[in-house]
Amino acid sequence: ETGVTQSPTHLIKTRGQQVTLRCSSQSGHNTVSWYQQALGQGPQFIFQYYREEENGRGNFPPRFSGLQFPNYSSELNVNALELDDSALYLCASSKSRADTQYFGPGTRLTVL
Amino acid sequence: AQTVTQSQPEMSVQEAETVTLSCTYDTSESDYYLFWYKQPPSRQMILVIRQEAYKQQNATENRFSVNFQKAAKSFSLKISDSQLGDAAMYFCAYRSADNNNDMRFGAGTRLTVKP
Repeated sequence: ETGVTQSPTHLIKTRGQQVTLRCSSQSGHNTVSWYQQALGQGPQFIFQYYREEENGRGNFPPRFSGLQFPNYSSELNVNALELDDSALYLCASSKSRADTQYFGPGTRLTVL
Repeated sequence: AQTVTQSQPEMSVQEAETVTLSCTYDTSESDYYLFWYKQPPSRQMILVIRQEAYKQQNATENRFSVNFQKAAKSFSLKISDSQLGDAAMYFCAYRSADNNNDMRFGAGTRLTVKP
């Protein structure tokens, strides 16, 4: 059974650019959640996708957007990057909305 | 809004000894889930243990056990027979049973294991 994978591992962008992060969910999982983890802090919920529909959103501006595909993989898009967007972005998948979430290794985004 | 507090930024334990990490949370809900996740330097968040609020029995997973005090809104993690591989950041997390998409994390406790 393949676990949750994320790509790329690291990414460096400049302020104002756009970025797309990718997540492949664990086999049999239909729900993907995205989190932002700033240095020295706990993860903060960005949004969740369930069966290709957004199923809840945290306190993040609209320039954070996402997609989920028919195979339940997901993308996180961030437009107009700001310095404060520098963080570890974690993706987690679960069998359904209420089940335990299993995390991927994360993507480290640095905005210069 | 639900909040999770981990009051110990850092803890250390001698190898083979026992350590307890503290977590408190604030909620008005009666049905929810609590979790402990471990994040080693590799960054991947690994589930350690899960507790359903409606269960009175404390969850146990091998050397890891919790002390769940619902009335006190406390959820501590006990690690017995600590091993060098237990060294990591430990995060306590809360998730509502009703609004189950939003998992709230504490700020974490960095655990050091001394040989």
